[in-house]
Amino acid sequence: DTAVSQTPKYLVTQMGNDKSIKCEQNLGHDTMYWYKQDSKKFLKIMFSYNNKELIINETVPNRFSPKSPDKAHLNLHINSLELGDSAVYFCASSQAPEGRVNGYTFGSGTRLTVV
Amino acid sequence: SQQGEEDPQALSIQEGENATMNCSYKTSINNLQWYRQNSGRGLVHLILIRSNEREKHSGRLRVTLDTSKKSSSLLITASRAADTASYFCATGLNQAGTALIFGKGTTLSVSS
Repeated sequence: DTAVSQTPKYLVTQMGNDKSIKCEQNLGHDTMYWYKQDSKKFLKIMFSYNNKELIINETVPNRFSPKSPDKAHLNLHINSLELGDSAVYFCASSQAPEGRVNGYTFGSGTRLTVV
Repeated sequence: SQQGEEDPQALSIQEGENATMNCSYKTSINNLQWYRQNSGRGLVHLILIRSNEREKHSGRLRVTLDTSKKSSSLLITASRAADTASYFCATGLNQAGTALIFGKGTTLSVSS
């Protein structure tokens, strides 16, 4: 009974393609996030939604567009993929913003490889 | 911008030994959290310590927080091979429009 599930787990695609990553949580959390982890394991916040409303939109290329159809889902669409987009993308959710009650629950990640 | 810096970057110990990892940060915080990441997996929340707390325990984990030095430490006692993972600190500012900021992590290897 996965708490935060991401699909797909692996994604290999060519430069210039458009792809989407889906995330769903069944924890009843109000806040969801997308983080990017680079090859040196550095995690950087990309977006955050609180109850379907965008609250954080960090400096990422506008080729990246998040969508939250309801508070249990946060998807990430990427247009015109570039080699530098290769990374592991993590979805996370929390009961309160910044996980200040009991932390974040992370998905298992989507490893995106652009060739 | 990066807030937390873990030290050391890598740590190798034998089973049964204690492992200590440190985290330093730059600005005032509301809370500090520690996470574990096993290879190829997502991060798992270990412990949260608030800015008005100095020490917290959870099983074999002990976390301290020194807000005057802007630093925290994570102690894992009696390490096991299964503790092999990367450990990250993350800081929460309790400001509107912010999310946890993660450090670069410490890679712990525990050999049997």
